[in-house]
Amino acid sequence: GAVVSQHPSRVICKSGTSVKIECRSLDFQATTMFWYRQFPKKSLMLMATSNEGSKATYEQGVEKDKFLINHASLTLSTLTVTSAHPEDSSFYICSAREGGGYNEQFFGPGTRLTVL
Amino acid sequence: GQNIDQPTEMTATEGAIVQINCTYQTSGFNGLFWYQQHAGEAPTFLSYNVLDGLEEKGRFSSFLSRSKGYSYLLLKELQMKDSASYLCAAFDSNYQLIWGAGTKLIIKP
Repeated sequence: GAVVSQHPSRVICKSGTSVKIECRSLDFQATTMFWYRQFPKKSLMLMATSNEGSKATYEQGVEKDKFLINHASLTLSTLTVTSAHPEDSSFYICSAREGGGYNEQFFGPGTRLTVL
Repeated sequence: GQNIDQPTEMTATEGAIVQINCTYQTSGFNGLFWYQQHAGEAPTFLSYNVLDGLEEKGRFSSFLSRSKGYSYLLLKELQMKDSASYLCAAFDSNYQLIWGAGTKLIIKP
C-alpha cells in the first residue's frame, strides 16, 4: 500500500509556543489530505480537509486560526498548532488520498503532542 | 444525524473466533471500512465493503448488509497480536468518513 509519513512522531512543548507537524505522501500524489486528532480511548475526530493549492475546510468547532493547515504541494501538508495550551495535548494523525472520494485514505503514523 | 455504533470492548480467547458488530446511520452511503489500531499507533486498513455480502481476507472477514445498515468484522484463529482497537467507518454521500468510537478487543491466553 501507499506510504504516508509524519514528523515528528513525538513533541513536547511549552504552553504558548507553536508546533508544526508535517505529513508527507511518499509514493503517490495526495490530492487531498485530512487531519485528525484523537483523545485517549476515543475515536478519530476530523479537524480539517485540505486540497492541494486550496484553503483547508475546517470542521465545526475547530479554530482555523489556531490550527493552521498548509497543503502547498501534492506530497506535503503541514499542521501548525499556534499558541499551544495543555488542552491541545493529543494524538494528531494525518491521512492522504489520491484522486476522488472513493479512493482509500492512507494514514500517517501519528504525532503525539504534549503541551506542558 | 450521522452515527456509527459498535461495542466499546470485547474479550476473546486465543485461538477462538470473535465477531465485532457495527451499525451505521449516514446521509447516503458509499461503503464501509474496518481499521485496526494498536495503542499509540495510527489506524491500518483491514477491509472495505460497498456491496452486500462477505469479503474474506485470510483470518479476517467483513460482512455488509446495506438494507440493515449493518456490518461485522470476523476474526478467526485469534492471536495475541490481534489485541487492538477495531474502528468501523462509513463513507457518506460526500465520501466523508464517519467514524465509530472503536471496539477494544482483549485477547486472553
